[in-house]
Amino acid sequence: DAGVTQSPTHLIKTRGQQVTLRCSPISGHKSVSWYQQVLGQGPQFIFQYYEKEERGRGNFPDRFSARQFPNYSSELNVNALLLGDSALYLCASSLSDRAYEQYFGPGTRLTVT
Amino acid sequence: GIQVEQSPPDLILQEGANSTLRCNFSDSVNNLQWFHQNPWGQLINLFYIPSGTKQNGRLSATTVATERYSLLYISSSQTTDSGVYFCAVSRIQGAQKLVFGQGTRLTINP
Repeated sequence: DAGVTQSPTHLIKTRGQQVTLRCSPISGHKSVSWYQQVLGQGPQFIFQYYEKEERGRGNFPDRFSARQFPNYSSELNVNALLLGDSALYLCASSLSDRAYEQYFGPGTRLTVT
Repeated sequence: GIQVEQSPPDLILQEGANSTLRCNFSDSVNNLQWFHQNPWGQLINLFYIPSGTKQNGRLSATTVATERYSLLYISSSQTTDSGVYFCAVSRIQGAQKLVFGQGTRLTINP
């Protein structure tokens, strides 16, 4: 069975641009979460979605938004990119909002110049 | 919010040595996971262990929830064990928000 998949693998954007990152959960998983990992630190929680509804939001500005589709895949959007948004963006999936073990995808490495 | 502290921050060992990584957390949790992050950034699930003891080959983990700590043991280390090990926890209420520690960077020399 395929694990969590993310696209693209790498991305280079300039300041002020907008970016969309995509995630497909493990088959049968209905919950998707997004994390940001800057160099040298642990991942930081951005959003959790379950059954297309936002279930949690971390301490990130409104420039960050996300959504979940009927097939449980998800997109993370970041507007008005800043240099500080350069990071590895990780997507995680779990069976449901009541199943707590999360499985991570390979990540999208975003560089903002 | 909940705080997670991992120790030591860095660990350098020779191949074949044993190691113990520690994770302390500041409040009760319903989820505790150990991950190994490979050089390409992928987080590999090692253990889901909110309490008790589990073993998987050369790796084992113990969580003492009442004392708010978890230990990851690696025996007979191999160079492929090198990388960053993260402990992450989440609380009972609210979203499945995993809070990560800063990680332990393990280097195994041949």
